[in-house]
Amino acid sequence: EAGVAQSPRYKIIEKRQSVAFWCNPISGHATLYWYQQILGQGPKLLIQFQNNGVVDDSQLPKDRFSAERLKGVDSTLKIQPAKLEDSAVYLCASSLLSSGRVTGELFFGEGSRLTVL
Amino acid sequence: DQQVKQNSPSLSVQEGRISILNCDYTNSMFDYFLWYKKYPAEGPTFLISISSIKDKNEDGRFTVFLNKSAKHLSLHIVPSQPGDSAVYFCAAGNSGGYQKVTFGTGTKLQVIP
Repeated sequence: EAGVAQSPRYKIIEKRQSVAFWCNPISGHATLYWYQQILGQGPKLLIQFQNNGVVDDSQLPKDRFSAERLKGVDSTLKIQPAKLEDSAVYLCASSLLSSGRVTGELFFGEGSRLTVL
Repeated sequence: DQQVKQNSPSLSVQEGRISILNCDYTNSMFDYFLWYKKYPAEGPTFLISISSIKDKNEDGRFTVFLNKSAKHLSLHIVPSQPGDSAVYFCAAGNSGGYQKVTFGTGTKLQVIP
């Protein structure tokens, strides 16, 4: 079974530029998550999709971050314009949401490391 | 508001001994808990979980203990091996709704040969 795919693995940009990250979740996984992990911190949820609908984006800086999930499969996270504090690893994860049964297991991609200069 | 806390940023243990990683949470709505392991330049990988209806779950060398009254859980690794050296994240979620999972800040475990 193929895992969660993310690209690019690394990206270096200057502040005020834009960047986009792509994620392809595990086939059949209804729930997709984007997390931001700043060095030395735990992953912070930015946005969570259930199929192609947003169920939580409370911590997404909406003035500069946007995300979409096309046809309930692939997802793109965009930052425009980038700030220095956006330097982080952006982790995509997916899960097989089982109604009536707790699983909670998220499968993560390798992450996209962003450096903003 | 840090709802899941790992107060020890690092831990060193001799190979063969027990590693104990601790985690505290504040949100009483959490009803399942997970541990993830992360190697450098890789995404976190699931290790073990526990539902709030249990107080212990075991999988090979890994055991998670849950103390709901104290809002505390711990991960025991016995015996510790050098390959266990990684960052360990505690995470928690609420099975109601859309299973939002909140992570702690992580503990870096070093197992010394």
